[in-house]
Amino acid sequence: GAGVSQSPSNKVTEKGKDVELRCDPISGHTALYWYRQSLGQGLEFLIYFQGNSAPDKSGLPSDRFSAERTGGSVSTLTIQRTQQEDSAVYLCASSLAWTGGNEQFFGPGTRLTVL
Amino acid sequence: AQSVAQPEDQVNVAEGNPLTVKCTYSVSGNPYLFWYVQYPNRGLQFLLKYITGDNLVKGSYGFEAEFNKSQTSFHLKKPSALVSDSALYFCAVRDIGGSYIPTFGRGTSLIVHP
Repeated sequence: GAGVSQSPSNKVTEKGKDVELRCDPISGHTALYWYRQSLGQGLEFLIYFQGNSAPDKSGLPSDRFSAERTGGSVSTLTIQRTQQEDSAVYLCASSLAWTGGNEQFFGPGTRLTVL
Repeated sequence: AQSVAQPEDQVNVAEGNPLTVKCTYSVSGNPYLFWYVQYPNRGLQFLLKYITGDNLVKGSYGFEAEFNKSQTSFHLKKPSALVSDSALYFCAVRDIGGSYIPTFGRGTSLIVHP
């Protein structure tokens, strides 16, 4: 079946503009994660959604970052008033979450460049 | 608390030789352990995982990893490296009974020379 999809694949924006990144998880996956990957760095956790529970926002770097997940499926990560340090690849992942031993399935990522 | 370390930023190996990518972890209880691979300009792809049972885990593309509880390690291995194995490899850990958010290592760049 279809994997995790993300759009757009690339986004170039000017400093101070708002951007929205979209993630379509695998159907039936109740857990959804957002990560940020900067050049030469590992994965930085941003936010985690599990079913209808309140999301774990502990990784969001500032209040300029927010995310929502509508209907337990599609998720949107919004970055307001973008800064140059926001430039990175934003990865979305989904998994079955009835047990924590499930592996994550990652999308191809959105490469964000803030000029 | 949970953490994972990949002590090598880069591993170089000749094609046909065995390869090892190291990973050590720290958890309060027992771990779930994962290896992922990332090819250039792609998302991460699952390779294998340790949940319970046999300490030697076999995964995709001929990779395997051995869970060593006493050394808190989960090294990734392959008997004979291919040039196409060149990629970025990530180890991840989750503490059983902890949060559902795994912790990832910084990644190890594997370069297989022809």
